[in-house]
Amino acid sequence: QKEVEQNSGPLSVPEGAIASLNCTYSDRGSQSFFWYRQYSGKSPELIMSIYSNGDKEDGRFTAQLNKASQYVSLLIRDSQPSDSATYLCAVNKYSGGGADGLTFGKGTHLIIQP
Amino acid sequence: DVKVTQSSRYLVKRTGEKVFLECVQDMDHENMFWYRQDPGLGLRLIYFSYDVKMKEKGDIPEGYSVSREKKERFSLILESASTNQTSMYLCASSFRAGNTIYFGEGSWLTVV
Repeated sequence: QKEVEQNSGPLSVPEGAIASLNCTYSDRGSQSFFWYRQYSGKSPELIMSIYSNGDKEDGRFTAQLNKASQYVSLLIRDSQPSDSATYLCAVNKYSGGGADGLTFGKGTHLIIQP
Repeated sequence: DVKVTQSSRYLVKRTGEKVFLECVQDMDHENMFWYRQDPGLGLRLIYFSYDVKMKEKGDIPEGYSVSREKKERFSLILESASTNQTSMYLCASSFRAGNTIYFGEGSWLTVV
């Protein structure tokens, strides 16, 4: 069973600090990795994708991937109250049929305290 | 911008009814997906399709079927709705395998 594990939280971070969200995955053959943000009652929206080892930065967000350790993380710098949401880690699950469905973790609930 | 549209946002159906959830994407994406999301269980893949008339089972296909007659449209069918199918259903699409998946706004289904 392919799995994606996240700490459910809640993770409470003061405004202006760095929020660090972590994710591990079990399928060593995974190729694509994604972070989605989901506000309560809304659908997930993409924050970042990462495909190769190392860091990828986009504004206040940095995704980090370590395939050897099967570990993905998301750093949010200068956290804002609007960053309060559930963050979903997702991993590509390739199927031989030519398509794929992402396997999602259950999400980490992040609270930014003003 | 990618647009994935789920026509029914909120539905209340009775046990045993046949339910259709419709989804349309406007970006000529090859792949389309149906997920359901439940508290404590996260997002789970029901079915996906990588081409017209093609479909693949996901992790929880029991009680569901799908139809993809046109590239832009992917329908989820509950042949005989049951109360344990009360959930939020999310349609999604991607250009091809490994690419970003984009979600619709979700359909909240209550089966009574």
